[in-house]
Amino acid sequence: DVKVTQSSRYLVKRTGEKVFLECVQDMDHENMFWYRQDPGLGLRLIYFSYDVKMKEKGDIPEGYSVSREKKERFSLILESASTNQTSMYLCASSFTRANEQFFGPGTRLTVL
Amino acid sequence: AQSVSQHNHHVILSEAASLELGCNYSYGGTVNLFWYVQYPGQHLQLLLKYFSGDPLVKGIKGFEAEFIKSKFSFNLRKPSVQWSDTAEYFCAPAPMFSGGYNKLIFGAGTRLAVHP
Repeated sequence: DVKVTQSSRYLVKRTGEKVFLECVQDMDHENMFWYRQDPGLGLRLIYFSYDVKMKEKGDIPEGYSVSREKKERFSLILESASTNQTSMYLCASSFTRANEQFFGPGTRLTVL
Repeated sequence: AQSVSQHNHHVILSEAASLELGCNYSYGGTVNLFWYVQYPGQHLQLLLKYFSGDPLVKGIKGFEAEFIKSKFSFNLRKPSVQWSDTAEYFCAPAPMFSGGYNKLIFGAGTRLAVHP
């Protein structure tokens, strides 16, 4: 069965802290994605990666960076967390870029 | 820029009522189309998808969607909803650019509440 896992379901951090969100998929997918989900705004793409060590900015990359050292793992980094980064973060993967994406359970991040 | 519009942000229905959720997108070329559902406390999962062929697509749990190219629409329907259909629904077209990075563009979502 297809599986995308995220390192934490809930996370509370303080303003200015460095935050790492990790995502692992077991489907050997080429493409991985990070979104944030906010009420009334749907899902907004932060970054995506179409291969190991490759990354592309999405629609809202400011304040975030990513790392993909291995095919199955895609990390989202908040270099200096701010309160406006309080959100639900979703990771997804897909075999091709415009094909079905499989989602993880999400990490609800609160920045105080 | 490509965009997607879901017409209703909140829908409230009684059980057995019929459902139609609107979705329009702005891209005029070839497009793959998806509807995702997020049940309370669960992760997003695919409801149905359209790539080509018959424009009427059937998905899981009795849902279907119709692609109308001339209207740039991909509306989701279900003849008779159940309380367990209470969820948030997302339309996600994926414009197919040649040589570019094709990716899904998610709508703002529609929250459906079904009362027994």
